[in-house]
Amino acid sequence: GESVGLHLPTLSVQEGDNSIINCAYSNSASDYFIWYKQESGKGPQFIIDIRSNMDKRQGQRVTVLLNKTVKHLSLQIAATQPGDSAVYFCAENIGLTGGGNKLTFGTGTQLKVEL
Amino acid sequence: DAGVIQSPRHEVTEMGQEVTLRCKPISGHDYLFWYRQTMMRGLELLIYFNNNVPIDDSGMPEDRFSAKMPNASFSNLKIQPSEPRDSAVYFCASSRPAGKAFFGQGTRLTVV
Repeated sequence: GESVGLHLPTLSVQEGDNSIINCAYSNSASDYFIWYKQESGKGPQFIIDIRSNMDKRQGQRVTVLLNKTVKHLSLQIAATQPGDSAVYFCAENIGLTGGGNKLTFGTGTQLKVEL
Repeated sequence: DAGVIQSPRHEVTEMGQEVTLRCKPISGHDYLFWYRQTMMRGLELLIYFNNNVPIDDSGMPEDRFSAKMPNASFSNLKIQPSEPRDSAVYFCASSRPAGKAFFGQGTRLTVV
């Protein structure tokens, strides 16, 4: 029979516009969150992270917002460029004994940048 | 730093054969993770190590899967015997305590 894969939500934006990618996480005990970017044929690449004691963090062209009340995370990309086209994953973490991070990943969002 | 290094990049094998995937973590990282990525299930954590010791292998799908970390600079993931449903991209990642995980480029496994 035909296999059914995960349906990746797709966000299409025009080059130069701002992008907002949303993520709902599942565990209220999660204390650390990371956004990763994955280009075709490559491994996930770190973009930005945020700890649960913060609600906003900014990087270069990217901002992550955390709303713990509704367990929601968003990634904002300013002035989206063609090179931003990729699948974006949010990952949540519950702290491990000894300080490590065990990340659980969302299903991802495909960002397509149109020229 | 060269980052997390995985080998091989691609592996095609016949059903029933043993497959070994290899990973060299970033030097100084105490944590090593093996993930599997498929269209059906996304990114799944299989097992992770802390200071070379397996801590949680609850994500390993079956007894056919095993992973070892004989020293701080090497880990392998073995599948014996392999089956077509094991076809996936397998990622290794490493991190410092409470730090972000860095991923390798992955091994694309095809079992025919």
